[in-house]
Amino acid sequence: SAVISQKPSRDICQRGTSLTIQCQVDSQVTMMFWYRQQPGQSLTLIATANQGSEATYESGFVIDKFPISRPNLTFSTLTVSNMSPEDSSIYLCSVDRRNYGYTFGSGTRLTVV
Amino acid sequence: QKEVEQNSGPLSVPEGAIASLNCTYSDRGSQSFFWYRQYSGKSPELIMSIYSNGDKEDGRFTAQLNKASQYVSLLIRDSQPSDSATYLCAVNEAGTALIFGKGTTLSVSS
Repeated sequence: SAVISQKPSRDICQRGTSLTIQCQVDSQVTMMFWYRQQPGQSLTLIATANQGSEATYESGFVIDKFPISRPNLTFSTLTVSNMSPEDSSIYLCSVDRRNYGYTFGSGTRLTVV
Repeated sequence: QKEVEQNSGPLSVPEGAIASLNCTYSDRGSQSFFWYRQYSGKSPELIMSIYSNGDKEDGRFTAQLNKASQYVSLLIRDSQPSDSATYLCAVNEAGTALIFGKGTTLSVSS
């Protein structure tokens, strides 16, 4: 089955700092997606990351707050910048694996104190 | 704004019963429809996908799609306590990100 490695799995961060989350896929994919899942809520799409171009952000999410890199077809990072307690969430990366559907990394549980 | 609506539940069924989960979506351009299961503290796991009108069965799971009514459902037969989880409905147009509903919490009692 598809393998998506996401790290860190969890972190506790001080407000005002930044955290970079990494997502590594075991095969090349065109698009990678970043989601946020706030406590008790469903998944909200943050942005779509294509290799070689800037990420496309959804309404309510901006590049300065959530910069994304996509240096190649198997890797992406999402940075949560200048964090506040409201950023405490689970962050998930996802890819469309043609034979396996849209699959998710194991998630990063972020707590901002 | 593309929306996916689900009854948040909780939906409670006894062991061995049929659980019926429902979902409606707003975007008529949606082409693919998915059901994910999410256990507490875990990431979503794909359990069913459906692309054309009608029923699709996989083991104890049956997905039903009615594009005219913009309606998707998931039936779980012979429900087991291990089926207790949150079920997320998701839709998309080809090649785009999934849009998720808020999820329905299912509780199966033994």
